[in-house]
Amino acid sequence: DTAVSQTPKYLVTQMGNDKSIKCEQNLGHDTMYWYKQDSKKFLKIMFSYNNKELIINETVPNRFSPKSPDKAHLNLHINSLELGDSAVYFCASSHKRYRGPGTEAFFGQGTRLTVV
Amino acid sequence: QQPVQSPQAVILREGEDAVINCSSSKALYSVHWYRQKHGEAPVFLMILLKGGEQKGHDKISASFNEKKQQSSLYLTASQLSYSGTYFCGTEASLTGNQFYFGTGTSLTVIP
Repeated sequence: DTAVSQTPKYLVTQMGNDKSIKCEQNLGHDTMYWYKQDSKKFLKIMFSYNNKELIINETVPNRFSPKSPDKAHLNLHINSLELGDSAVYFCASSHKRYRGPGTEAFFGQGTRLTVV
Repeated sequence: QQPVQSPQAVILREGEDAVINCSSSKALYSVHWYRQKHGEAPVFLMILLKGGEQKGHDKISASFNEKKQQSSLYLTASQLSYSGTYFCGTEASLTGNQFYFGTGTSLTVIP
């Protein structure tokens, strides 16, 4: 069984379109994340959800919106896609220890988004 | 807030050793290390907690100097399978809302 799975693996779309990327984890973790990895391989955190509450929201355009129907799922919706949104998007999950550092994060296989 | 890693890239021959450094401008509670192979997702290697501990598994070990807000990853007797990009991840708070990945170090091991 795949621990963290995200779909689709590849997504090619035109500028201005709206798209979604889905993520599911079966590890029982209480924290899920979305990361963006650009062409220079920098991993930048976009969102973090802990028990369905947003706990990090970096300086991400509001065209990006995370949606978490339950703690096993964290989907990413992107409106009005722009060329600069092209990147690999990773979903991840971890178990956040109470009042302590988080445990290791498990990553999905990534979604390569190409905006043309 | 993003930790800085050095070197940016390194090429090794099989059997050689390497050190990758991770430096943060903030006081840290923990440091994580991940390896990402080309076209794949990052994979967890180890976590070091506040207290200046050192950890290792196989021939990869790491240290965490909380006073200097630095961590180092040591790869000894490198193997071809060690090739990839290594990222440190740092936590600056107990609430988990200040976790950032470092700038990455590309490691290539050649025969």
